[in-house]
Amino acid sequence: DAVLTQSPLSLPVTLGQPASISCTSSQTLLYTDGNTYLNWFQQRPGQSPRRLINRVSNRDSGVPDRFSGSASGTVFTLKISRVEAEDVGVYYCMQDTHSPRTFGQGTKVEIK
Amino acid sequence: QVQLQESGPGLVKPSETLSLTCTVSGISISVHYWSWIRQPPGKGLEWIGSVHYTGSTSYDPSLKSRLTISLDMSKSQFSLNLRSMTAADTAVYYCAERGGGLWGQGILVTVSS
Repeated sequence: DAVLTQSPLSLPVTLGQPASISCTSSQTLLYTDGNTYLNWFQQRPGQSPRRLINRVSNRDSGVPDRFSGSASGTVFTLKISRVEAEDVGVYYCMQDTHSPRTFGQGTKVEIK
Repeated sequence: QVQLQESGPGLVKPSETLSLTCTVSGISISVHYWSWIRQPPGKGLEWIGSVHYTGSTSYDPSLKSRLTISLDMSKSQFSLNLRSMTAADTAVYYCAERGGGLWGQGILVTVSS
């Protein structure tokens, strides 16, 4: 299985400051079609998860441009350029390349 | 707009079978692969399995012996059957497009006698 390890698991941030979450995969997530299927999700309290980023760096429709995704090998990063109060929640990475699909453990973002 | 709606029981007895259905509206069910994902109380997301309209399925190995996921194109629905339920299966169960672009609102299933 492709194990995804997120860090940190808890991230206290100051409003207006940047935040960064990493997700390290135990194996390559490059699929035979040339795409890397690593997605990022935000789950606000009491809500269903919402996808923010698909295929490493593509923002989903309606996602603010303060969210960005990148990769270096098997290390994937979600960045928030300036944290806003509505960004509080748990963030998950998920790989959709290999079966079984797997999620990271989640990173809880809270305001200091 | 596109909607996914889970339906099924909120309470299941130990050793019984959980049957959930996800109704897809606003999009053809043949366009995507579809997944079931669960989240135990206070914990993270767990992928359960996926199905395609061609009949192709993929299951999490830890659940495979108890699990069946199927799809009914005529009803635009896909379903989950999880046998021999235990307290460890208590969770919010979500249906979703496999890549996670679309989600249902989730249904809490509690396993208790």
